[in-house]
Amino acid sequence: GQNIDQPTEMTATEGAIVQINCTYQTSGFNGLFWYQQHAGEAPTFLSYNVLDGLEEKGRFSSFLSRSKGYSYLLLKELQMKDSASYLCAVRDQDYGQNFVFGPGTRLSVLP
Amino acid sequence: EADIYQTPRYLVIGTGKKITLECSQTMGHDKMYWYQQDPGMELHLIHYSYGVNSTEKGDLSSESTVSRIRTEHFPLTLESARPSHTSQYLCASSEGTSGEEKLFFGSGTQLSVL
Repeated sequence: GQNIDQPTEMTATEGAIVQINCTYQTSGFNGLFWYQQHAGEAPTFLSYNVLDGLEEKGRFSSFLSRSKGYSYLLLKELQMKDSASYLCAVRDQDYGQNFVFGPGTRLSVLP
Repeated sequence: EADIYQTPRYLVIGTGKKITLECSQTMGHDKMYWYQQDPGMELHLIHYSYGVNSTEKGDLSSESTVSRIRTEHFPLTLESARPSHTSQYLCASSEGTSGEEKLFFGSGTQLSVL
């Protein structure tokens, strides 16, 4: 089966750094994606990892360890607009190359 | 960037009604998806399509149907709505299924069944 776990909620201060963890169990791993979803809006793509290591994209970085079934999203220099839910998703080739989504981590950035 | 449209944005209907949620994309993407999302919960795959005349069932497909007669259009139909169908429905598309082929989402339809 497939299972993705993320913390339900996190709180951080404006200007700080926050790390959102994701652990997964899938049979046919074929890439890990992070999406950002503001309340009442559609998810938007943030990052993609398929090989082990760190991918950096501006203030956001994402890390993957396939052997540990683990990823994290690192947000630096937090801004108020970063308050949103962050969804970890794994594409599974044993699931028709479709995405399995985690429950999302709701991040609140405080002034 | 993403040109994928869903209508209606909000819908309130009575139990037993037949409804169709519309989804269209102008990006020429082959693969399209319907997801259901309850507040604070993960997205669940309802149906997906690899292209014209292709439709596949996801995890929550038993009470709905889809069609894909044109590349750009992927409507979702509930034959008889029930209160348990109250949820947000998100349509998405992707160019393919390999590499960094990310999902583009529509704005969603918030459905309430009374």
